[in-house]
Amino acid sequence: QKEVEQNSGPLSVPEGAIASLNCTYSDRGSQSFFWYRQYSGKSPELIMFIYSNGDKEDGRFTAQLNKASQYVSLLIRDSQPSDSATYLCAVTGGGNQFYFGTGTSLTVIP
Amino acid sequence: EAGVAQSPRYKIIEKRQSVAFWCNPISGHATLYWYQQILGQGPKLLIQFQNNGVVDDSQLPKDRFSAERLKGVDSTLKIQPAKLEDSAVYLCASSPPGLAGGEQYFGPGTRLTVT
Repeated sequence: QKEVEQNSGPLSVPEGAIASLNCTYSDRGSQSFFWYRQYSGKSPELIMFIYSNGDKEDGRFTAQLNKASQYVSLLIRDSQPSDSATYLCAVTGGGNQFYFGTGTSLTVIP
Repeated sequence: EAGVAQSPRYKIIEKRQSVAFWCNPISGHATLYWYQQILGQGPKLLIQFQNNGVVDDSQLPKDRFSAERLKGVDSTLKIQPAKLEDSAVYLCASSPPGLAGGEQYFGPGTRLTVT
């Protein structure tokens, strides 16, 4: 079982819609959760982090964490074509190891 | 503020040859990471340094890969001998204290092709 699992997609949404990206993790001791965005041919960049159960909002982005279900998600409101990228979920494990998921490819259609 | 620097950007070698990559992290970042990213996959952590000490190298294929971070600043990653399956982008990242190391800043990467 992989430490961090994501649906690879591709996920396509029309411009202005809400994009929902999901991630599950296996280590119940995980404490820190991150979402990175990676444009094609570029390096990952951090967009959100969350530590506590519930929602965290930053502009058009909302991260949601449910530790009981070992589930973290990212919502992108009012999706724009510039949001088209691969979104990587990352988790710090109980032993402070850092794991990335395989990423979900998002395409926002104008 | 200068970002994470990596060189070379591209490298093509034949299998069984050796190759080395260099990384200079952001000034003041004590933690440095090397990742391998194969096309279509997420980055896989190879090794993590805290200053010049190794924190995690559990996924580093130690029979062929080695890394060092002398003086706790820049770092080199070496592959000897290379295999076809080593073709990937090698990413270096550094992080400031806090956020459990999750706030990582990545360099542009080195794209390695092994033929």
